[in-house]
Amino acid sequence: GQNIDQPTEMTATEGAIVQINCTYQTSGFNGLFWYQQHAGEAPTFLSYNVLDGLEEKGRFSSFLSRSKGYSYLLLKELQMKDSASYLCAVGSSNTGKLIFGQGTTLQVKP
Amino acid sequence: GAGVSQSPRYKVTKRGQDVALRCDPISGHVSLYWYRQALGQGPEFLTYFNYEAQQDKSGLPNDRFSAERPEGSISTLTIQRTEQRDSAMYRCASSSGQGLPYEQYFGPGTRLTVT
Repeated sequence: GQNIDQPTEMTATEGAIVQINCTYQTSGFNGLFWYQQHAGEAPTFLSYNVLDGLEEKGRFSSFLSRSKGYSYLLLKELQMKDSASYLCAVGSSNTGKLIFGQGTTLQVKP
Repeated sequence: GAGVSQSPRYKVTKRGQDVALRCDPISGHVSLYWYRQALGQGPEFLTYFNYEAQQDKSGLPNDRFSAERPEGSISTLTIQRTEQRDSAMYRCASSSGQGLPYEQYFGPGTRLTVT
């Protein structure tokens, strides 16, 4: 079966650091994706991990441990515009389709 | 450059009617995906095309749903005899690679409401 778990909601303060966790159990694995989705808009790509370790991209970093079925997205120096839903997704090994989690709604407060 | 476009952006239809949703991917993108997204949930995979070939339709809920991409570019998702439970946001995504998890670019979606 396919199962991807992430917290439903998180709140953080502007300027702080927040870590959004994601655990997965899927029948195939070909990469772990993070997408950002602002309310009423389309998901946009943030990061991609296929090997274990940390990938850094400006204020955003993503970590993957394949043996533990675990990933996290780290957002530094939070800004109000970072308030959005963050979607964890696993890439299928066969067709490249993405299996998404339910998303974590992050609210950044002043 | 132009991103993924979808039309119509909103569609209200009566139960039992057929609807056709259109996706225009980024030029040159060989892979095209259809997803359905309920409010407060992540997108749910429906089907995948590699050029004009439909290589995965495992996510289509039942035989009322079908999709095509006859010339390897524009795609149409058709829902026959719509039911209220079909109401959702239907999103299309495209990527430049084949099969492997290349970055997918999502369109703005079609909000379907079945009354």
